[in-house]
Amino acid sequence: DAGITQSPRHKVTETGTPVTLRCHQTENHRYMYWYRQDPGHGLRLIHYSYGVKDTDKGEVSDGYSVSRSKTEDFLLTLESATSSQTSVYFCAITDPNGSYGYTFGSGTRLTVV
Amino acid sequence: DQQVKQNSPSLSVQEGRISILNCDYTNSMFDYFLWYKKYPAEGPTFLISISSIKDKNEDGRFTVFLNKSAKHLSLHIVPSQPGDSAVYFCAARGIQGAQKLVFGQGTRLTINP
Repeated sequence: DAGITQSPRHKVTETGTPVTLRCHQTENHRYMYWYRQDPGHGLRLIHYSYGVKDTDKGEVSDGYSVSRSKTEDFLLTLESATSSQTSVYFCAITDPNGSYGYTFGSGTRLTVV
Repeated sequence: DQQVKQNSPSLSVQEGRISILNCDYTNSMFDYFLWYKKYPAEGPTFLISISSIKDKNEDGRFTVFLNKSAKHLSLHIVPSQPGDSAVYFCAARGIQGAQKLVFGQGTRLTINP
């Protein structure tokens, strides 16, 4: 009964193609985030959302867009995938009234060839 | 510019001994510091947190220490167990809103029998 799920878990795509990753939550949390994990860089914030249709950029947002049309879904789109976007992508949610930070999804491993 | 740094990419400790993981930060505008643990092919999971107004928080085998003057926090695991082998990320939550977390690069902890 995971409160947050990501799909797909793995994807291989070709350079130049658009790719959309989905994050779905059942916790009704207001805040949702997309991070990428790369060796030597830890987790870096791509985009985040603080409500339906309210999104903002993180530190590595170039080449990515997001959408949040309903509370439970947060989509990350790579407009035209590049090899530098090969990474593991994590979605996270948080309750603004808690002190426990985020709950993360299991991740999507994306390979751009 | 990395606001949260974990300068040790890896650490190896004998089972039963103490593991000490370190983290430094450069920005004073953080209200919470957190540690996450990550196993391969899984998302990070919350381990322990500390408010910026405290200097120590303990939860079972895990203790986090915060030295604000040095902008340094550490995670102590006593005694270390084989199941503690994982990558550990420290993170800091900004006070400016949207509950954004800034992560360090991670430290891979290996517990040897």
